[in-house]
Amino acid sequence: AQKVTQAQTEISVVEKEDVTLDCVYETRDTTYYLFWYKQPPSGELVFLIRRNSFDEQNEISGRYSWNFQKSTSSFNFTITASQVVDSAVYFCAKHGANSKLTFGKGITLSVRP
Amino acid sequence: EAGVTQFPSHSVIEKGQTVTLRCDPISGHDNLYWYRRVMGKEIKFLLHFVKESKQDESGMPNNRFLAERTGGTYSTLKVQPAELEDSGVYFCASSPLLAGGPFEQFFGPGTRLTVL
Repeated sequence: AQKVTQAQTEISVVEKEDVTLDCVYETRDTTYYLFWYKQPPSGELVFLIRRNSFDEQNEISGRYSWNFQKSTSSFNFTITASQVVDSAVYFCAKHGANSKLTFGKGITLSVRP
Repeated sequence: EAGVTQFPSHSVIEKGQTVTLRCDPISGHDNLYWYRRVMGKEIKFLLHFVKESKQDESGMPNNRFLAERTGGTYSTLKVQPAELEDSGVYFCASSPLLAGGPFEQFFGPGTRLTVL
């Protein structure tokens, strides 16, 4: 099976700390897409980023940044200067040749004031 | 613009009963997906509609689950009869049918189903 592994299950940090959420994936597809979603306490999954397999440039959006390393099949997510509002469950997911997203188990991030 | 909506938000039923979950996708989104998250596990794909047609139903657990999308608008997912292992959060997602995809799927808040 083409899995997405988020080895960290729960992370707790103090506000203003940087935190990195790890994501490792398996794939046999030549072309694929990687995603991160955030699930706040309200329950819906909020899209954060989409990255295709041909674009290995790192991306920064405000306090969020993503490091895509095709050689290690990793797509890690860093939050700089974390805030309490960042507390949520974060899911990494992959979309391959078929129509479905394959998700990791999610990482529960708690940011304490 | 309204997002993906799901009804009900919570459902508690007894084993053997029937439950129907509803999803209203974002207007104009031809792709509609159902996913399920059982406690502590991954969110798993159930099926994918393109308009009213089932494109991929490889994730449906068994024939107790029936999904429909009549008219290509809202979708229902019926579980009959429900079993204990069906408990979990059922998510619906939608996305536009455009070239250059796959684009992000927009998720609803989920329906939390508890089977006692």
